[in-house]
Amino acid sequence: NAGVTQTPKFQVLKTGQSMTLQCAQDMNHEYMSWYRQDPGMGLRLIHYSVGAGITDQGEVPNGYNVSRSTTEDFPLRLLSAAPSQTSVYFCASSLTGGGLWYFGDGTRLSIL
Amino acid sequence: SQQGEEDPQALSIQEGENATMNCSYKTSINNLQWYRQNSGRGLVHLILIRSNEREKHSGRLRVTLDTSKKSSSLLITASRAADTASYFCATDGGSGNTPLVFGKGTRLSVIA
Repeated sequence: NAGVTQTPKFQVLKTGQSMTLQCAQDMNHEYMSWYRQDPGMGLRLIHYSVGAGITDQGEVPNGYNVSRSTTEDFPLRLLSAAPSQTSVYFCASSLTGGGLWYFGDGTRLSIL
Repeated sequence: SQQGEEDPQALSIQEGENATMNCSYKTSINNLQWYRQNSGRGLVHLILIRSNEREKHSGRLRVTLDTSKKSSSLLITASRAADTASYFCATDGGSGNTPLVFGKGTRLSVIA
């Protein structure tokens, strides 16, 4: 049972670089989301998807893009990395939006 | 903006004592959930309580919900060192189509 898998686990980028954080789930969940977690700030929603081909913005979407071409995958793209995007990023999935959510172990991203 | 706010921000207790964490939220909800996060890991679902429920138990966990006060509490009885973690409440904001909105969490330390 893999659940929600995030790659990479750690990444260091230079300001201005772009990269994609990968997220995959094997539970056939329709709902997927991306959060960032900063000290003292809890988890803040970046983007989410309610099914393949459907995405929407969360609380802090600026500087990030997402797409959902398959049910299983929900990659998060940083277009031009900035030091303010240094954070731990969590991907989560759920069968129904109001039910239980399952989280990956996170990607720890540092931007210099 | 964050829906739930946990109180206290940090709590330190001796093994065997009970730990109580509180959560306040702002809007109407369908359900409220509690999650646990061990250091360096993703969030794990603990318990879900629906808006028409007032109390729910799961093992050593007891959750109460007061929708008139827009508040919930999580009680962990007979705490163990392994309960050391951060605990978050999360709400659905009254919609079944959007991801959860999390509070900032309570950091619990259980001292052996």
